[in-house]
Amino acid sequence: DSGVTQTPKHLITATGQRVTLRCSPRSGDLSVYWYQQSLDQGLQFLIQYYNGEERAKGNILERFSAQQFPDLHSELNLSSLELGDSALYFCASGGGIHLTGELFFGEGSRLTVL
Amino acid sequence: DAKTTQPPSMDCAEGRAANLPCNHSTISGNEYVYWYRQIHSQGPQYIIHGLKNNETNEMASLIITEDRKSSTLILPHATLRDTAVYYCIVRVVGANSKLTFGKGITLSVRP
Repeated sequence: DSGVTQTPKHLITATGQRVTLRCSPRSGDLSVYWYQQSLDQGLQFLIQYYNGEERAKGNILERFSAQQFPDLHSELNLSSLELGDSALYFCASGGGIHLTGELFFGEGSRLTVL
Repeated sequence: DAKTTQPPSMDCAEGRAANLPCNHSTISGNEYVYWYRQIHSQGPQYIIHGLKNNETNEMASLIITEDRKSSTLILPHATLRDTAVYYCIVRVVGANSKLTFGKGITLSVRP
């Protein structure tokens, strides 16, 4: 158990819809990172938040947005969903009292767009 | 972050040591070598990391060459549960920077 909690674990929705994925980081971690993993692609970095502020941006589509709240949990919002958005979405946390630099990953949210 | 190169796959027999190589010839002095693995579609799992000295923990050993241009992850007694994709990543520590994953190496442990 990494200590990172992601919900929901599975989500099935239709094209054009909007979904929200939630991530609770490990206690004490200030950074949250979002990654996307499609069948034919590796783990792609989407975005990072540190203590409520956006720190780094990767290949995140304009239809996607994220935020980190004062209690440090984070949400990834995916809108106008397309078939190609079907993927595993992972959240990772780090950058807190654990100064060795590891990131800890949740078990992911599997999104299926029909 | 510096780029890493790993062979696409390898296998080893259960109970034997698995030695997973990684090249990172453009590594900078302030970059660490990290190893993660992903078992099937689970979240990636941290294994070990190092700067220039060899490191060992309960999961594995990391051997980094003196010039730091390559490293080897050693699983001393591989089990079937070690079958996974292993990622070698170079990353600057201290900046809370992201991990950039490549394709990794698929390790298959055979009975």
